[in-house]
Amino acid sequence: GEQVEQRPPHLSVREGDSAVITCTYTDPNSYYFFWYKQEPGASLQLLMKVFSSTEINEGQGFTVLLNKKDKRLSLNLTAAHPGDSAAYFCAVSALTSGGNYKPTFGKGTSLVVHP
Amino acid sequence: DAGVTQTPRHEVAEKGQTIILKCEPVSGHNDLFWYRQTKIQGLELLSYFRSKSLMEDGGAFKDRFKAEMLNSSFSTLKIQPTEPKDSAVYLCASSLSGIEQYFGPGTRLTVL
Repeated sequence: GEQVEQRPPHLSVREGDSAVITCTYTDPNSYYFFWYKQEPGASLQLLMKVFSSTEINEGQGFTVLLNKKDKRLSLNLTAAHPGDSAAYFCAVSALTSGGNYKPTFGKGTSLVVHP
Repeated sequence: DAGVTQTPRHEVAEKGQTIILKCEPVSGHNDLFWYRQTKIQGLELLSYFRSKSLMEDGGAFKDRFKAEMLNSSFSTLKIQPTEPKDSAVYLCASSLSGIEQYFGPGTRLTVL
């Protein structure tokens, strides 16, 4: 089955620095990719979804890159601020033999942004 | 549209008790997931339903954990009997055909 490895598990940066979180996956039948943000004491909120084969998606203050050839998904916070301090999770949905998509999550990255 | 709702938000149980957690998925979603979240283990999949059918029951959690989906708009997770190591946040999520998951607020369980 799908295996998703997320790195690093912990990341500490200063305000204004960039922060990069990377996930690698194994299943070539992976078609949907997601980043979730979890603030302390809260549930997971969808940050960005990526569907195309190689895509750069830009959101407010972050960029997501998918490289299907290398089976790598990354989240780049371009100029981190303290409000970005949270746990971030990647998720990969692969097509199963039963014809449905099943998501697999990375173990998460705890990001701390210091003022 | 209402999101995923979970009740209760907090639960405190004595060791050996039976507790039932409840989840209502987003209307129209056909997939429902139960996860356990701890700092050490991260997100662990407990159960996965597609159109009310159990697709995966999380292997190691079979013996004391039982999830049911009584209808397309309601699911329960029973833990029987509870143990202190079950203390965690239990998250319910729903999706349309396994694609984009929407998470509920979670239930924080403390077993004494």
